[in-house]
Formats: sequence, C-alpha cells, structure tokens
Amino acid sequence: GQQVMQIPQYQHVQEGEDFTTYCNSSTTLSNIQWYKQRPGGHPVFLIQLVKSGEVKKQKRLTFQFGEAKKNSSLHITATQTTDVGTYFCASPLFLVNNLFFGTGTRLTVIP
Amino acid sequence: DAGVTQSPTHLIKTRGQQVTLRCSPISGHKSVSWYQQVLGQGPQFIFQYYEKEERGRGNFPDRFSARQFPNYSSELNVNALLLGDSALYLCASSLTGATTDTQYFGPGTRLTVL
Repeated sequence: GQQVMQIPQYQHVQEGEDFTTYCNSSTTLSNIQWYKQRPGGHPVFLIQLVKSGEVKKQKRLTFQFGEAKKNSSLHITATQTTDVGTYFCASPLFLVNNLFFGTGTRLTVIP
Repeated sequence: DAGVTQSPTHLIKTRGQQVTLRCSPISGHKSVSWYQQVLGQGPQFIFQYYEKEERGRGNFPDRFSARQFPNYSSELNVNALLLGDSALYLCASSLTGATTDTQYFGPGTRLTVL
C-alpha cells in the first residue's frame, strides 16, 4: 500500500538556523499538501503542489515537489520561535481527497 | 466567516460505551472528512462524505460509522469503545472533496476512553 515517510522525525534548531523536512513516497503522488500543527492544535493547511518539479515560496518557507512526483521538501529559512510545531506532508488517496498523512517532523526552535 | 466547528471539545468515556461527535463545515463546503489522530502520529483517514453520500472509508472497524445531513454537517459515531480509541478526532471540510480541494480542519474533539 501507499506509504509516505518523512525525515527527520524530530529536529531541534537554534533560532535563526535553517530547517528542512523531506517527504518520500513509494508511489507517484497526484499532488502533495503540507500542513503545520502547533502543539495542542489542529493541522493548518500551508500549501499544495501539483506539478512535477514545482517550487513555491511563502515568505521564509520554500516547498518543492520532485520531478518524479514521489518526494517533496519544506525548507524554512532563519527559523523563528513561531515556527515550532509538527509539519506533515499529505497526499490524496486514489481519486478522492482522502488525505494520507506522512509521519510528520516535529520542529523545536531554541531561542 | 466561521471555520470548521466541532463539538464537544473534550469527552471522557468508559470502555464499551458509545460516543457521537459533531462537525459543522465551513459555509458553502459540501464535503466533510473525519480523521483520527493518536498522540504522536499523523491523522488517519476514517470517512469522507459528499452531498450526504459516503465517498470513502479508511481502514477502521464497523464500530465506526458516520453520516452527513442536508445542511452538510456531520456526525461520527463510535460504538463499543476501546481504550485504543482514545485520540483526537478531526473533522475537515472542503468544497467538493476533489483531490485538489484544500481541506480545512476543525479544532478536533479529544476523546479519552477509560
């Protein structure tokens, strides 16, 4: 079955350092979505990537979708304490939007 | 505009009991999906409904059931609760449930089974 793995599982960074999380799938993905979940909160949609090789930026966040549409990455430049949380990639199953979530990367930012 | 709302916020039940969780989607959204998030893991898909019809079902036992009402709100029912059902139950709404639709999550219902 479809599996979406994320690495690393945990990441501690000093404030101001960069952070990257990677999402890898065993199968080709129709699209990839990224969510952020703050501690005690719920997943909040960040971005959706659809095209092979697509790159999108949101301020300090850069999202990439691999050429083969099997992997994706989220890069945060100069982390801030507000970036703390767990970042999930997710992709629809089959032909409907039943999101299959990756294992998540929990980011801690040390002031 | 209000986001996705869920009730109750927290719930404590004992093994064997039954529970009903409620969700109201964003106005104009016709699709509702339910997810279970166990502590430390990513959300797992349970059900998706669109226009009152079940569109998808995840790998959950028949103790889990759901329905969607004409106003697009939804209920998730879990019978014969087990300790392992303790989790955050998330509802997400989207316009049509298509694969490119953004899903907006509600704050969740935290269920504790004792």
